[in-house]
Amino acid sequence: KQEVTQIPAALSVPEGENLVLNCSFTDSAIYNLQWFRQDPGKGLTSLLLIQSSQREQTSGRLNASLDKSSGRSTLYIAASQPGDSATYLCAVGPYNTDKLIFGTGTRLQVFP
Amino acid sequence: GAVVSQHPSWVICKSGTSVKIECRSLDFQATTMFWYRQFPKQSLMLMATSNEGSKATYEQGVEKDKFLINHASLTLSTLTVTSAHPEDSSFYICSARGLERSDNEQFFGPGTRLTVL
Repeated sequence: KQEVTQIPAALSVPEGENLVLNCSFTDSAIYNLQWFRQDPGKGLTSLLLIQSSQREQTSGRLNASLDKSSGRSTLYIAASQPGDSATYLCAVGPYNTDKLIFGTGTRLQVFP
Repeated sequence: GAVVSQHPSWVICKSGTSVKIECRSLDFQATTMFWYRQFPKQSLMLMATSNEGSKATYEQGVEKDKFLINHASLTLSTLTVTSAHPEDSSFYICSARGLERSDNEQFFGPGTRLTVL
């Protein structure tokens, strides 16, 4: 059974820091991995989608890497801003299924 | 593009009543829609997978007679919580996968907050 874990569970940093959020999964047979952002009481905003054949994806200040063999993905946020404060979720798409298995999330607070 | 809406955004109901939540893909056709539930400070848990024109597939532990799912068209799926009880209070989020996409990406709705008194 696929299990997805995110570390740390919570993070509070001053504005301007570069951050690394970690996601690990137990079964490397995945089709893709997605990173999402969720603001309190809101739905999900897709940040980056990495296919299993890819090593990384970049969008603006965000960079996500994928090491399928070791069951790890990292989300790198450069020059963090207070507006980045949210919960970040990673989700894996197991091979041969439409499903997404979500991680436990990292609650990020960036203070001015 | 790839916008998914949900209605209502929040609902409060009395225990024992039924509540219907709609999920619509606004600018694309969705062969598959997914329903998730999220309790406070927890992650999303998949409840069921809904394919247009066929019965939904429920995850283990989810009562299909309590959570009725209908996916009557390529742009609309509905979740009906029947005989709702306070323990059903949660944040319900749907997602949709496009007909044309080959990368399995899901697009998420804004969620529906259900409070059962």
